[in-house]
Amino acid sequence: LAKTTQPVSMDSYEGQEVNITCSHNNIATNDYITWYQQFPSQGPRFIIQGYKTKVTNEVASLFIPADRKSSTLSLPRVSLSDTAVYYCLVGGMNYGGSQGNLIFGKGTKLSVKP
Amino acid sequence: DTAVSQTPKYLVTQMGNDKSIKCEQNLGHDTMYWYKQDSKKFLKIMFSYNNKELIINETVPNRFSPKSPDKAHLNLHINSLELGDSAVYFCASSHPGGRNRMGADTQYFGPGTRLTVL
Repeated sequence: LAKTTQPVSMDSYEGQEVNITCSHNNIATNDYITWYQQFPSQGPRFIIQGYKTKVTNEVASLFIPADRKSSTLSLPRVSLSDTAVYYCLVGGMNYGGSQGNLIFGKGTKLSVKP
Repeated sequence: DTAVSQTPKYLVTQMGNDKSIKCEQNLGHDTMYWYKQDSKKFLKIMFSYNNKELIINETVPNRFSPKSPDKAHLNLHINSLELGDSAVYFCASSHPGGRNRMGADTQYFGPGTRLTVL
């Protein structure tokens, strides 16, 4: 299983862009990178997934360099409601695959201040 | 129209009791999971079922027994509850390959059940 490393915590202010980087040096060829967001007292929520280069959706962007040994989740213009824990997972299909997408690490606790 | 639902939301009970937590998903997913999130906020996989078949059974005491009556339900029964079982239990479901059946699985989590053992 590809091990992931993220900062434990980050602070930001409203309106700023926040970039959270995740290291996954032993990512496998079939692995994808998936990010989840968890608010207090709620279950994790899928944010974005990518394999290489850049992926963008209505919530965030995911930047993945060519070697895929790291990835960066970018949250544009954060608000107070973006205060949450963000998890980076690396894996393929859970059934018959590497099951890395079942491994939630400690995540990054993002605190957005006014 | 909740995608993944769990009942109850809160469960307070005495040591030694037996309790169950129910989970239902209306997403048509093939795979369901149970996770435990302890007081330190570590989220750990416990079990996974695919089409009612147990496919993942992590190192969990055998006091914990999952039951999947059909593809849309995965219940968790806990016997002889102990203080250390106090945690938030999350149910989740997924389709192989994520939203577009491409890439890795993406999981949809329920709201959680906060279990407190006194």
